[in-house]
Amino acid sequence: QKEVEQDPGPLSVPEGAIVSLNCTYSNSAFQYFMWYRQYSRKGPELLMYTYSSGNKEDGRFTAQVDKSSKYISLFIRDSQPSDSATYLCAMRDTGRRALTFGSGTRLQVQP
Amino acid sequence: GAVVSQHPSRVICKSGTSVKIECRSLDFQATTMFWYRQFPKQSLMLMATSNEGSKATYEQGVEKDKFLINHASLTLSTLTVTSAHPEDSSFYICSARGVWASYEQYFGPGTRLTVT
Repeated sequence: QKEVEQDPGPLSVPEGAIVSLNCTYSNSAFQYFMWYRQYSRKGPELLMYTYSSGNKEDGRFTAQVDKSSKYISLFIRDSQPSDSATYLCAMRDTGRRALTFGSGTRLQVQP
Repeated sequence: GAVVSQHPSRVICKSGTSVKIECRSLDFQATTMFWYRQFPKQSLMLMATSNEGSKATYEQGVEKDKFLINHASLTLSTLTVTSAHPEDSSFYICSARGVWASYEQYFGPGTRLTVT
C-alpha cells in the first residue's frame, strides 16, 4: 500500500464548475500538507499549504485537512481552462524534511 | 517569490556518457536541496536529499555511485548521471528549501534527459 493515495484521473469538468481533488494517507505522523500544480513538462508550483487539521482559503482555492480520517482535499471554485494541469498532494512529518507525493490527478477544464 | 533554476532544460546524450544537471536558487540561500525523478504520468520520486557542505542522503534503491550529487554552496547543487543508459531517461526535478522555511520547497522547472 502506498503511503499517499491519489486518484490519477483524468478529471474533466466544464468551465465554472467546482472541482474537488482528494488524497488519503496512511502515516499518522504527517503534519504538513501541501498541494502543488504541475503543468506539462514543468516543475511543480506550490498552491496551498496547511499545517495539521483545518481549512485554508486562498482566492478560488480551499484546502482541507481531516487528520482523524487521514484525508485531505483541494477545492477549486469557478474553474478555468487555465486550471488544467496535474495536481499533486504532498505531505511530510516534523522529523523528515523530504516530501511524500501522491501520484497526481490530471484535471481538464473544458471551455 | 523564491526562484529555482535548472540547467540544461533538455539534454540528449549517448549511452555510456555522463551528464551534469545544475540546480540553482537564484534569490535565496538553500540549506537543503532535493532531487526527484519523474516518469511520464507518474508522481515525483525522491532520489536524494543534499545539504550544503555534507554528503547527500540517498533514498533506498538509488545508486549513489551512479547519481553523484554535489551541494557545493548555498545556491548550487549538481546531479551527475554517470555512464548513462536508456533506462535513465526521465524528467529530473530539483527543489530547494530556504534557511527560513520549515516546510516550503521551491521547485525548479525540470530537466528532461534522453539517453540514446
